[in-house]
Amino acid sequence: EPEVTQTPSHQVTQMGQEVILRCVPISNHLYFYWYRQILGQKVEFLVSFYNNEISEKSEIFDDQFSVERPDGSNFTLKIRSTKLEDSAMYFCASSEIPDRVGEQYFGPGTRLTVT
Amino acid sequence: GQNIDQPTEMTATEGAIVQINCTYQTSGFNGLFWYQQHAGEAPTFLSYNVLDGLEEKGRFSSFLSRSKGYSYLLLKELQMKDSASYLCAVRDSNYQLIWGAGTKLIIKP
Repeated sequence: EPEVTQTPSHQVTQMGQEVILRCVPISNHLYFYWYRQILGQKVEFLVSFYNNEISEKSEIFDDQFSVERPDGSNFTLKIRSTKLEDSAMYFCASSEIPDRVGEQYFGPGTRLTVT
Repeated sequence: GQNIDQPTEMTATEGAIVQINCTYQTSGFNGLFWYQQHAGEAPTFLSYNVLDGLEEKGRFSSFLSRSKGYSYLLLKELQMKDSASYLCAVRDSNYQLIWGAGTKLIIKP
């Protein structure tokens, strides 16, 4: 069964450093998403992406964040200068159609620890 | 503001039935989702409701009342592997998923 993959599974970085989290969505999916979940807290929407541009973003997704689809398979989330409060699990998701009726398939997540 | 409320924790017995409630106040409504999340893992999709009524899918059913801003997830014939958090999420007018904090379900033998 096709699945969303994410690398790395765990990233440790120092405050102020840049990190890139990588995702490979399901191959025939067209809509891509990033979410984060701080330990013990609720899932939070960050951004959705379609046709090589951001379609929606939340208040969390400020200038420190960017997304890119550098080739036909990868979808990346970059945090330019990490802060302690960026420590969280970051989930990538993809869907075949926008979620008017479709479901989003989540990757296993990348645990980001900022020290 | 937008708000999704669900109980923090519930306990049920293996083989029994449990109902997890969710109430929401959001800016617009474009569907309600239930996800299951085991500790340390990604959410996995369970159900989707956009019209009022009951959607049944094997041991799991989900109900929606848009006028009441209310949904529930019904789990039948509980198994130990159903121990997990159950997340209610609503798609708002901007088609963003707004998530509840999740209900931790503990299954006892």
